[in-house]
Amino acid sequence: NAGVMQNPRHLVRRRGQEARLRCSPMKGHSHVYWYRQLPEEGLKFMVYLQKENIIDESGMPKERFSAEFPKEGPSILRIQQVVRGDSAAYFCASSGDRGAEQYFGPGTRLTVT
Amino acid sequence: LAKTTQPISMDSYEGQEVNITCSHNNIATNDYITWYQQFPSQGPRFIIQGYKTKVTNEVASLFIPADRKSSTLSLPRVSLSDTAVYYCLVVLNNAGNMLTFGGGTRLMVKP
Repeated sequence: NAGVMQNPRHLVRRRGQEARLRCSPMKGHSHVYWYRQLPEEGLKFMVYLQKENIIDESGMPKERFSAEFPKEGPSILRIQQVVRGDSAAYFCASSGDRGAEQYFGPGTRLTVT
Repeated sequence: LAKTTQPISMDSYEGQEVNITCSHNNIATNDYITWYQQFPSQGPRFIIQGYKTKVTNEVASLFIPADRKSSTLSLPRVSLSDTAVYYCLVVLNNAGNMLTFGGGTRLMVKP
């Protein structure tokens, strides 16, 4: 059973470009969570989605950031017009049920130049 | 959400037992204590979860006193591969969606 998969593992973008980060949850999991981790800090919650629905986006910046989890395909975290401050590791986690143990992917390291 | 406080870093040697204590003074009745481990360039990995007294699995033990205002993660006979950051979290069981990570404890195991 493959774990949570994220791609790309590393992404370099210039300021003003768009970044699209993909997350495929574990098989059978319909709950997806996105977290951001700055260097030397703990993970910060961004958004929680359950197939086609955003359940909690309280940790997501109001502008430039969006997330989706379509009926078919991976969850996408989209960052428009990236700035240097967006450089971070973005982790996706999935669970089989609300409140159940979350399994994390390897992360996508975004570097904005 | 209950805030957690844990040491920023700890050093140990191979073969020793390591105990990492976490304070969570305003933990709520329905909160559980959960520990995650994170290696460099990887996502966090669940280690253990408990509500009170003692929980043990193949990786670690978790000790929680009666007042639940603190907890101690115990790693028996650590090896170099246990060098990682360990996060103590307080989660609302069966209803929580976001996990709140603090700064964690950086454990360095030396030969």
